[in-house]
Amino acid sequence: DADVTQTPRNRITKTGKRIMLECSQTKGHDRMYWYRQDPGLGLRLIYYSFDVKDINKGEISDGYSVSRQAQAKFSLSLESAIPNQTALYFCATSDSWGQGTETQYFGPGTRLLVL
Amino acid sequence: AQSVAQPEDQVNVAEGNPLTVKCTYSVSGNPYLFWYVQYPNRGLQFLLKYITGDNLVKGSYGFEAEFNKSQTSFHLKKPSALVSDSALYFCAATGRRALTFGSGTRLQVQP
Repeated sequence: DADVTQTPRNRITKTGKRIMLECSQTKGHDRMYWYRQDPGLGLRLIYYSFDVKDINKGEISDGYSVSRQAQAKFSLSLESAIPNQTALYFCATSDSWGQGTETQYFGPGTRLLVL
Repeated sequence: AQSVAQPEDQVNVAEGNPLTVKCTYSVSGNPYLFWYVQYPNRGLQFLLKYITGDNLVKGSYGFEAEFNKSQTSFHLKKPSALVSDSALYFCAATGRRALTFGSGTRLQVQP
């Protein structure tokens, strides 16, 4: 969905480096999410934010941190990257009216390789 | 804790034949169920969802899914498969706050 953008699209980094993945949306949604996709494991939730002041850990938050700079921006940081964080990372957004019924809209993904 | 199972890593079907991609779920309370599709080098795209009401849900690209409460299943179906339907399909479920995704099923439609 072009309304959800992620930068960079591809990134190679070394073990121990700090990196940041960025997500921006023009959909006007309050809720934003970060997932990682690994083969055979589907998507797993890292962090989610229901508004600028509401940030929650997901299923696999260890080794990650997030920042919700504005309604439209949600960044994911790896403070000290390790090889098992090599994965495809997706940002998603949804509106806030549905109490769980709302559709999520995904960005194109960032492919991260940690050497 | 909620969970979603997609028992088949891959489904192969000939073009023109009906297809089914299976999904079972475990959610406390009333489930909200979704299907998403991922084409190569793309993000996930929404196909359809079940919230309440009719057990047969119709979605994009001719897909439909049947909610079965007693079997806790939400299988994705299409009466006549197209080669262009070849992609990775994810089932997802939620009780209220965050989605849980299945591991995905790769659908391969042969000409």
